[in-house]
Formats: sequence, structure tokens, C-alpha cells
Amino acid sequence: GAGVSQSPRYKVAKRGQDVALRCDPISGHVSLFWYQQALGQGPEFLTYFQNEAQLDKSGLPSDRFFAERPEGSVSTLKIQRTQQEDSAVYLCASSNRRNTGELFFGEGSRLTVL
Amino acid sequence: GESVGLHLPTLSVQEGDNSIINCAYSNSASDYFIWYKQESGKGPQFIIDIRSNMDKRQGQRVTVLLNKTVKHLSLQIAATQPGDSAVYFCAETYFGNEKLTFGTGTRLTIIP
Repeated sequence: GAGVSQSPRYKVAKRGQDVALRCDPISGHVSLFWYQQALGQGPEFLTYFQNEAQLDKSGLPSDRFFAERPEGSVSTLKIQRTQQEDSAVYLCASSNRRNTGELFFGEGSRLTVL
Repeated sequence: GESVGLHLPTLSVQEGDNSIINCAYSNSASDYFIWYKQESGKGPQFIIDIRSNMDKRQGQRVTVLLNKTVKHLSLQIAATQPGDSAVYFCAETYFGNEKLTFGTGTRLTIIP
């Protein structure tokens, strides 16, 4: 497809497990973003990549969260030792321009931590 | 801290009527504002944007108004359709900052 693809769409993890969420951005988009959306809330910024460089990770809530984009295309958001408060939808977005608010979002990965 | 917020969490509008969704922002450094639409189970979808050197911008059936004096923006949707039912978010940022700060959202319901 031509859009941003995220997998898995749904993930249930037991507290303490590690999870990995994958994002396939739109081909050719150099900017990639991860946002976290709690139920009933707006998305909150986690981290941003320009190609393979992680230029801003100020939104990552703790050192249990780690994101990478080693070849400048696919990105993975990893959460170690998951906690119940990590339960949320994790949205990936990409863009082909800088300084633009026109982001193309995927459908998200819904993480539920039991 | 500074934040983007909305006056009304829910809004119900008769099909065919116009709707207005409001948003207040408090970060005086913000100079770029964006509206997104999010349908259930989907990611946010870009609707329209406006920079601070403008007061008004029109798209297809949508208009965004920006009042910098009172730090307020609104999204007007003309002749609403059932497909307009969704949660609408305003977001803000400033030049050089790639991070968007989203508000909490307004749920718009179109009544047939």
C-alpha cells in the first residue's frame, strides 16, 4: 500500500515483557515520528528521525523506551519491561518535508499491558 | 506548562449544517497550527494548516481562523456530512521544531 504501515495492530503483553513495534513509512519520506496516544487523549510526541538520525527523543518517557531506524526507512519502537502505564496506541507518522505539520499517520499499534 | 486545549469536548451537529470547532493555545512561541481528523480505529489525518502570518485559510468545505490576539483558532466545516463524524485535534508548533503538540480533541457527531 501507499500509506504508513504499522505492525502489530494489537499487542497484549504481560507486565515485565519486552515489546517491539514496527513502522514502515511511506517510501521516500525522510522524516519519521513516533507518538503515543492514551485513551481519550491527543497524541503525544515521543521521538523523531531524519533519515537514520534520531534528532529528537525528548518525548520518550523513560529509558525503557528505545527507537531506531538503522537504514533510514523502517523504524522499530522497543519498550522494555513493560508497565501498565505503557498501555496506549503507538502512532507512527512520516513526512517528505521538514517544518511541516502535514504528517501521514499509520493506524497505530494498540498495546495493552496486563 | 503551556498546552493546547479545546473549549468543547463534544459537539453534535445536524447533517447539512455548519460546524465550528474551537481551540485555545497558550504557547506564545507557536507560529504554526494544524487541524487533524481522527476516525475510530485510525490514525490522525491532516485537514488544513495555517501559519501565524495569516488570519484565515480555506480548503475544501473547511476554513481555519486564527486569532493571535486571544490565542485562539477554529475549524469551520461547511455543510457537514456523516463522514465528518470523528474526533478533531488542533496541534501547534513553531518554526524549526518538528514536534507537534496536540490538544485533547473534540468529538464531532453528525446527526442524520
